[in-house]
Amino acid sequence: AQSVTQPDIHITVSEGASLELRCNYSYGATPYLFWYVQSPGQGLQLLLKYFSGDTLVQGIKGFEAEFKRSQSSFNLRKPSVHWSDAAEYFCAVKTSYDKVIFGPGTSLSVIP
Amino acid sequence: DAGITQSPRHKVTETGTPVTLRCHQTENHRYMYWYRQDPGHGLRLIHYSYGVKDTDKGEVSDGYSVSRSKTEDFLLTLESATSSQTSVYFCAISPERGNEQFFGPGTRLTVL
Repeated sequence: AQSVTQPDIHITVSEGASLELRCNYSYGATPYLFWYVQSPGQGLQLLLKYFSGDTLVQGIKGFEAEFKRSQSSFNLRKPSVHWSDAAEYFCAVKTSYDKVIFGPGTSLSVIP
Repeated sequence: DAGITQSPRHKVTETGTPVTLRCHQTENHRYMYWYRQDPGHGLRLIHYSYGVKDTDKGEVSDGYSVSRSKTEDFLLTLESATSSQTSVYFCAISPERGNEQFFGPGTRLTVL
């Protein structure tokens, strides 16, 4: 079955430190992949998406993600975290039936 | 920001009562979705619509029904609310199936 896993339920980083959030998917064909961010009390907002082409994708707010087919991963990175990045982050994959499956999310806390 | 509103934003109701949540969009997008968000589960699809009067079930559709009589409105109805339906409900819209989704602000529903 198609699925998305985010191994880290919660991550805490210091402001200014680098960040990597992990995402692994299970899907047979070339996937469409997404990262969304959810600030407290708000809906989700798209950070970036990968459909094809360059495996390093740039998104908004200084985020990037790298698609690695051999590892079935689509990890999100940011070189220097800001306090305003504290939020919940969701990885998602488009399935063969054109539905989107979301991972369980990773909660990010930022220490000033 | 995409024009999506949800009403009500908060609701407390009692077990066994009917509840209707409304999603309204001003983007004229074809696809509309209802999700529920619960801790540890990410977002789970309840129902979606691919056009006026065209709807289909998601992974957690039991106990829920939907209707879409106009492009801009997508209603989610709990015919007889149960405590297990206490959750945060999000509406999303998309111009294409399986592509980027734009989310509303959410409705927090508590069933006592």
